[in-house]
Amino acid sequence: DAEITQSPRHKITETGRQVTLACHQTWNHNNMFWYRQDLGHGLRLIHYSYGVQDTNKGEVSDGYSVSRSNTEDLPLTLESAASSQTSVYFCASSDPQTINNEQFFGPGTRLTVL
Amino acid sequence: AQSVTQLDSQVPVFEEAPVELRCNYSSSVSVYLFWYVQYPNQGLQLLLKYLSGSTLVESINGFEAEFNKSQTSFHLRKPSVHISDTAEYFCAVSLGSGSARQLTFGSGTQLTVLP
Repeated sequence: DAEITQSPRHKITETGRQVTLACHQTWNHNNMFWYRQDLGHGLRLIHYSYGVQDTNKGEVSDGYSVSRSNTEDLPLTLESAASSQTSVYFCASSDPQTINNEQFFGPGTRLTVL
Repeated sequence: AQSVTQLDSQVPVFEEAPVELRCNYSSSVSVYLFWYVQYPNQGLQLLLKYLSGSTLVESINGFEAEFNKSQTSFHLRKPSVHISDTAEYFCAVSLGSGSARQLTFGSGTQLTVLP
């Protein structure tokens, strides 16, 4: 069955370190998204991509970057981790050919920045 | 830009009682509307969606939501809840054309079903 996976599921790091969160989907979806989930804010869009070599900034992109070298993967990099980036991160994908663009979510990565 | 407001951050309810989770959105154009559910330590799963046509949409586990254009609302209801319905529920709206369709989420409502 097609799926979307994230790794690691849990990560503890220190302020100032570079961290990369992996997202891999086997749906063959062109659209991929990264969100962060914080209490009282729901999910907020960090970056998104509509295909290989395409990346776009979302609502809360400062301090994050992504790259899309193939259809399956959209890694999220925190260039210099800050305590404010402690959060749960979700990756999602969708098929632009479907009328509703339903997004399918990964299980999440809980990141703690000390 | 669109926005989504979920008026209740927490809703406790007793088992077998009815529940309504409220969602209002703001947008000047037509939208698609979604409810997602998140069980503890899991990702989000689509519960139901409104695209067009009948304003009342239903899920396979007894939830329903009604699109009300005049009140810009998409409230989620269930006539009789179960313990297993305990989860966080997110309302979301999308607009845009073609592949450029993003989701904007509300802040979520934690539904807790009490025995």
